[in-house]
Amino acid sequence: NAGVTQTPKFQVLKTGQSMTLQCAQDMNHEYMSWYRQDPGMGLRLIHYSVGAGITDQGEVPNGYNVSRSTTEDFPLRLLSAAPSQTSVYFCASSYGTGGIEAFFGQGTRLTVV
Amino acid sequence: AQTVTQSQPEMSVQEAETVTLSCTYDTSESNYYLFWYKQPPSRQMILVIRQEAYKQQNATENRFSVNFQKAAKSFSLKISDSQLGDTAMYFCAFMKYNQGGKLIFGQGTELSVKP
Repeated sequence: NAGVTQTPKFQVLKTGQSMTLQCAQDMNHEYMSWYRQDPGMGLRLIHYSVGAGITDQGEVPNGYNVSRSTTEDFPLRLLSAAPSQTSVYFCASSYGTGGIEAFFGQGTRLTVV
Repeated sequence: AQTVTQSQPEMSVQEAETVTLSCTYDTSESNYYLFWYKQPPSRQMILVIRQEAYKQQNATENRFSVNFQKAAKSFSLKISDSQLGDTAMYFCAFMKYNQGGKLIFGQGTELSVKP
């Protein structure tokens, strides 16, 4: 099993550009989430989804859009990149509630110049 | 709102010794889950151990164990017989009982194991 696959692993954007971070999982997990990791702040939840067609905002949603048209995919869109969005982004998936382990992708390091 | 605090940004330990990483959290929930995740330099997030709040018994996984104090809202991680491969960033995380997919992380503790 591939688990959770994120692409790309590294990306440099210019301010104002748009891009989509891809996330796919092959474990038939209901729950998928996006986090950003910044030094000294841990990981913070951007958006999450409890199933296809259902998404909700997390702690830091501004500047990001998501959609979930299939169980497998959960892309994160930056509509107009800003230097404040320079970060490492992680996608995670898990099966249901009950404290089940979340599986993480390997992260995308994004730099906005 | 729930918060998770790790007050030790950096720690170091000699190989084969024991180290304890601290984590406190704030919640009004009675049912929840707590986790410790390890992030080595490869950046991969790896689950180390988890604890259900309704269980009084502290979780253990080989050399890793927790001290869960529900009343004090404390959840520390003890690593015994530290190994060089334990060098990593460690994150404490909280999840409400019925909110899969919504982890709340602490700031992280960077652990260095020295030979």
